[in-house]
Order: sequence, then C-alpha cells, then structure tokens
Amino acid sequence: DTGVSQDPRHKITKRGQNVTFRCDPISEHNRLYWYRQTLGQGPEFLTYFQNEAQLEKSRLLSDRFSAERPKGSFSTLEIQRTEQGDSAMYLCANSPLAGPSTGELFFGEGSRLTVL
Amino acid sequence: EDKVVQSPLSLVVHEGDTVTLNCSYEVTNFRSLLWYKQEKKAPTFLFMLTSSGIEKKSGRLSSILDKKELFSILNITATQTGDSAIYLCAVRNTGNQFYFGTGTSLTVIP
Repeated sequence: DTGVSQDPRHKITKRGQNVTFRCDPISEHNRLYWYRQTLGQGPEFLTYFQNEAQLEKSRLLSDRFSAERPKGSFSTLEIQRTEQGDSAMYLCANSPLAGPSTGELFFGEGSRLTVL
Repeated sequence: EDKVVQSPLSLVVHEGDTVTLNCSYEVTNFRSLLWYKQEKKAPTFLFMLTSSGIEKKSGRLSSILDKKELFSILNITATQTGDSAIYLCAVRNTGNQFYFGTGTSLTVIP
C-alpha cells in the first residue's frame, strides 16, 4: 500500500454519462499526476498538479476531461459524455517536492472505467 | 516528440533463466530514468537512475544507465515465477514530467 487512495476502484457506465474519479494523495506529496492506461500500453500522461496549480495538461486530452485539485490535497478527474474509447484504468500518482523519495512516483491502485 | 521505447514487448522464460530488458529514450531535458514493476495493480518502484555507468542493485535485480547512448537495461538473474509482471521504464525531465514506455511483459514458467 503506497498510501495513495483512489475511488471508485471500478466504474461501469453507459456511453454519454459523466463519471468522476477521486484521488487522495500522500499528505506531504505536493505533486499529483493523472495517467490513463489501456491493456498492453504504458501509462499515458493526462495532467499534473503542483499543490493546487494545474501545471500541465496533455494535448491529447479532449475537452470532455477536466481535473481539479482545489485545496492542494485530493484531486478529482471528471469525464463528461463518456465514450467507449474512454474505457481504461485511470491511475493517480504522487511525488514529493523534497526528501529521499524526490523524483519517485507513488501510484494508487487505479480506477478502472468500463463504458458500455 | 519525447518518447520511451522498451524491448522486447514480451518475453517467456523458464525459472532460473537470466533476462535483460531494454529501454531507450529520446527525451529533452533528461533528469532521471525509473523502472517499475506492475502486476495486476499499480506500478511499484524498482530503481531510479540519474548517472551513467553506476549499477543499481536490489537482490536479483540490477539496472544501469547509459546517458550517451540514451538507454538503460534491467537485468533479472535466477528468475522466479513471482517475477512475472509488466516492467515499465519511465523517463523524468527537468519539468517533472514522466514519460512511460509500453512495458515489457515477462512470464516466468516453472
């Protein structure tokens, strides 16, 4: 257990519905990342926060995807009007700004989305 | 375009064999290279490499980085069935962005 918590672990939804995933990071880890992973692929970057500031967003990310980290603690990833191609594992990862683990990513267990 | 390429994509070996996994990269403003092991859950950290030629070792696993040729290898000696997993290589740049390869799927047969 890395200490990164994601919820829900599994979500099945119908095409066109909105879904929201939550990530509760390790408390002292200022950097928070969202990745998407499909079968046979490595994690694909979606977006990145340092504290509450969203510093980078993938150009591949459509307008249907939005992420927030309002108080610099937990983060949410919302997908609007889901499509079947959104089916994937959504991984949250954290990294501290300082200390012996600087530069290392700590992953949560992921939220698996299935769009029917 | 920044990219990380891993090879082979998959590998099947017998217990006791030694395997070498490869990771090559083209990432501007390189900062470090990381190896992760992923079973049917979240990736778990193995190694972080920042300097060329310095081997990192943990039990039967070892890894080394060549910043001139832009690649890293992960060696696993005396493989066990518990080593079966996907091994991911990631490169971090100075902007704290992490780029992942597609992974190498290792299957160790008893």
